[in-house]
Amino acid sequence: SAVISQKPSRDICQRGTSLTIQCQVDSQVTMMFWYRQQPGQSLTLIATANQGSEATYESGFVIDKFPISRPNLTFSTLTVSNLSPEDSSIYLCSVEDPGRSYEQYFGPGTRLTVT
Amino acid sequence: EDQVTQSPEALRLQEGESSSLNCSYTVSGLRGLFWYRQDPGKGPEFLFTLYSAGEEKEKERLKATLTKKESFLHITAPKPEDSATYLCAVNKAAGNKLTFGGGTRVLVKP
Repeated sequence: SAVISQKPSRDICQRGTSLTIQCQVDSQVTMMFWYRQQPGQSLTLIATANQGSEATYESGFVIDKFPISRPNLTFSTLTVSNLSPEDSSIYLCSVEDPGRSYEQYFGPGTRLTVT
Repeated sequence: EDQVTQSPEALRLQEGESSSLNCSYTVSGLRGLFWYRQDPGKGPEFLFTLYSAGEEKEKERLKATLTKKESFLHITAPKPEDSATYLCAVNKAAGNKLTFGGGTRVLVKP
């Protein structure tokens, strides 16, 4: 399965600032996904990022707040903009393994705390 | 609207005490049902994919089964290292999005 790394692993940010999270995969993948996991909650999909096209956002998530880049088949970034304490969550990227029938594998996550 | 419901929310077991976790789903065009294990502060770790009713998969002390309406994750003779949150997710035929249930927190006491 694909090996996924994320940077940073955690950060503490001030209200009103932005944080950019990087996701790197050790193999080329078409589909990359960004999820949010709020404290004590399950995972919610933010957007799907395909290389060469605009990200597709889920209901309740907008590009101005969560801009995503996907410059190539092994890398993506998620920016969380204009931070508020409600954005304190774990942000996870995942990839769909093209050789393993729709299975998604997750990175270790980025824990964001907004003060 | 697609829904995935897991029960119970939390489960406390004695070491060696077998039990089952439930994942019930309502989704049109199910492509796959997935089980993940998540340890605190870490990303979900893939366990199983089930594609059709009647399918079963096993890994060490874990066995996952699937019917047309629900999936079970059976933990046989659990050990303390099986303590984690177990997440169930479904994937629709029409897209690649995973819809997750709320998870079951399992604590196995020695």
